[in-house]
Amino acid sequence: DAKTTQPPSMDCAEGRAANLPCNHSTISGNEYVYWYRQIHSQGPQYIIHGLKNNETNEMASLIITEDRKSSTLILPHATLRDTAVYYCIVRVAGGGNQFYFGTGTSLTVIP
Amino acid sequence: DTAVSQTPKYLVTQMGNDKSIKCEQNLGHDTMYWYKQDSKKFLKIMFSYNNKELIINETVPNRFSPKSPDKAHLNLHINSLELGDSAVYFCASKVNGLTPLHFGNGTRLTVT
Repeated sequence: DAKTTQPPSMDCAEGRAANLPCNHSTISGNEYVYWYRQIHSQGPQYIIHGLKNNETNEMASLIITEDRKSSTLILPHATLRDTAVYYCIVRVAGGGNQFYFGTGTSLTVIP
Repeated sequence: DTAVSQTPKYLVTQMGNDKSIKCEQNLGHDTMYWYKQDSKKFLKIMFSYNNKELIINETVPNRFSPKSPDKAHLNLHINSLELGDSAVYFCASKVNGLTPLHFGNGTRLTVT
């Protein structure tokens, strides 16, 4: 069952940073935060994940609050191709632990 | 290309029929999954296999029977199809541990 809360939708101007929030107030100490996105009609695509330190890769940055109860995914320069549904997931490391997707945030990048 | 591939991409069939969806990954991953995405776009896990062994069955009706002939394949057979089975079915795979899921592009099943 999803343990995260995200706003249902957001808009962002093209070229600006998109900041997508996620609340995971019941996260436990050994649970990681993962972000995926799903562009219309395609399979979900992995973006980034982290435990407590901020993370950055070629796609995005992940900022996790010190108490780990919330996080923000940052797309630094949003493009039209970033229009998608973004899912925030918490998951315990280990082979038997599953990815439970919530309802996500539908991000629309506006020209 | 290295990927998770599903066939068919589209499947239209009548109620009561039996159908199968195939999934193959050439990524050398240990664990494979089936997810169902309904009309409300909610993505829900159905099954998980690790090295051909079923490890998760999320209260899916027994009309759904996954089969993993080897580590690289996880097929989904559905008996006596119902209207409510209409959805997009996604296959995914991953290596054990903290690694992310890799998804296929889905099979859109329509039951009429």
